[in-house]
Amino acid sequence: EVQLVESGGGLVQPGGSLRLSCAASGFTFSSYWMHWVRQAPGKGLVWVSRINSDGSSTSYADSVKGRFTISRDNAKNTLYLQMNSLRAEDTAVYYCAREETWGTYYYFDDWGQGTLVTVSS
Amino acid sequence: DTQMTQSPSSLSAYVGDRVTITCRASQSISRYLNWYQQKPGKAPKLLIYAASSLQSGVPSRFSGSGSGTDFTLTISSLQPEDFATYYCQQSYSTPRTFGQGTKVEIK
Repeated sequence: EVQLVESGGGLVQPGGSLRLSCAASGFTFSSYWMHWVRQAPGKGLVWVSRINSDGSSTSYADSVKGRFTISRDNAKNTLYLQMNSLRAEDTAVYYCAREETWGTYYYFDDWGQGTLVTVSS
Repeated sequence: DTQMTQSPSSLSAYVGDRVTITCRASQSISRYLNWYQQKPGKAPKLLIYAASSLQSGVPSRFSGSGSGTDFTLTISSLQPEDFATYYCQQSYSTPRTFGQGTKVEIK
């Protein structure tokens, strides 16, 4: 059974830093692209970042570019999101998601339960 | 970036109703369109991928159609467990943008 378990969320002051983790199990982690998606309270889903299977390629939403860094440790089956210079508008539940491939099509077939990040003084 | 626009933003329906949600992309995305269902406090769940392929385990009352810029999610007979928020998402390009969501409520 595929499992994705996020951790590392919490309350942080504006300008502070936080590192999220997503522990993966039940599948060959090193074969999949992984993503972070966030959801502010009462709002919709917003894509944040993605990393390819070996960690050599990353991409970010404009809103987090230069502040957030996605990475992975395939030996530990873990995905990370280092968040620096946090702002109030970064307050959200952060989900990690696995991207499955079917031919040339891509979709998020498994998601973690989410971890809440609150940026407030 | 490809913008995704869903309509309506919310709807009320009875159990047993046929429900249709539409999603429009700001540029052609072929069939690179996925649909997710999210219930309060829970992670999103994949329903449909590649515009019309039903994810394993998802009831057949859910169906998807469309290509290019216009897509539809249809629930043929709404069940009590279907009351939730539904999101479309394009996977044609990065960023993998989502629609703003459609909340389906009980009438």
